[in-house]
Amino acid sequence: EAGVTQFPSHSVIEKGQTVTLRCDPISGHDNLYWYRRVMGKEIKFLLHFVKESKQDESGMPNNRFLAERTGGTYSTLKVQPAELEDSGVYFCASSQALTGLYEQYFGPGTRLTVT
Amino acid sequence: GEDVEQSLFLSVREGDSSVINCTYTDSSSTYLYWYKQEPGAGLQLLTYIFSNMDMKQDQRLTVLLNKKDKHLSLRIADTQTGDSAIYFCAERNTGFQKLVFGTGTRLLVSP
Repeated sequence: EAGVTQFPSHSVIEKGQTVTLRCDPISGHDNLYWYRRVMGKEIKFLLHFVKESKQDESGMPNNRFLAERTGGTYSTLKVQPAELEDSGVYFCASSQALTGLYEQYFGPGTRLTVT
Repeated sequence: GEDVEQSLFLSVREGDSSVINCTYTDSSSTYLYWYKQEPGAGLQLLTYIFSNMDMKQDQRLTVLLNKKDKHLSLRIADTQTGDSAIYFCAERNTGFQKLVFGTGTRLLVSP
């Protein structure tokens, strides 16, 4: 079974540019999550999709961030325009609601550097 | 609000036991998790404990939970160099799926 994949693995962009990150969850997982870790700090929740619907977007920092999950499969996270403080590692995770545990399987992350 | 804290670094010698500590503030936490991140890899779920448990053992891993003090620990017995990684503590409340993570503890195991 393929795990959660993320693309690209690294991205370096200039302040003011746009970047789109992609996440492919484990096949059949309805739940998809985005998190990010900034400057070696804690990993913070951004949002949660159930299929194509946003279930919880309480962690989205501002309206420069747009997440989509059309068709309930892969998801994209667009940052437009990027700011220096957006630099960090963006993780995607997915889970299947078979048990109350909701074990989340994480991808390797996308390291975003905004210069 | 929710807050999870961990010490940043731990250094041990191969064969010793490692104990990584975590404190959390949300008393309604239902599930508490330990994740491991190796260089260049995603987070791997190591083990978890329900809030109505005090202890859970899984091979070399022992999780202890003190609900009164809101303290969680992960003990790794017979630590190996392959255990060198960042360990994240996380908690989740019933009714929510988001995980609240600590800053991570970098474990360095020397031969």
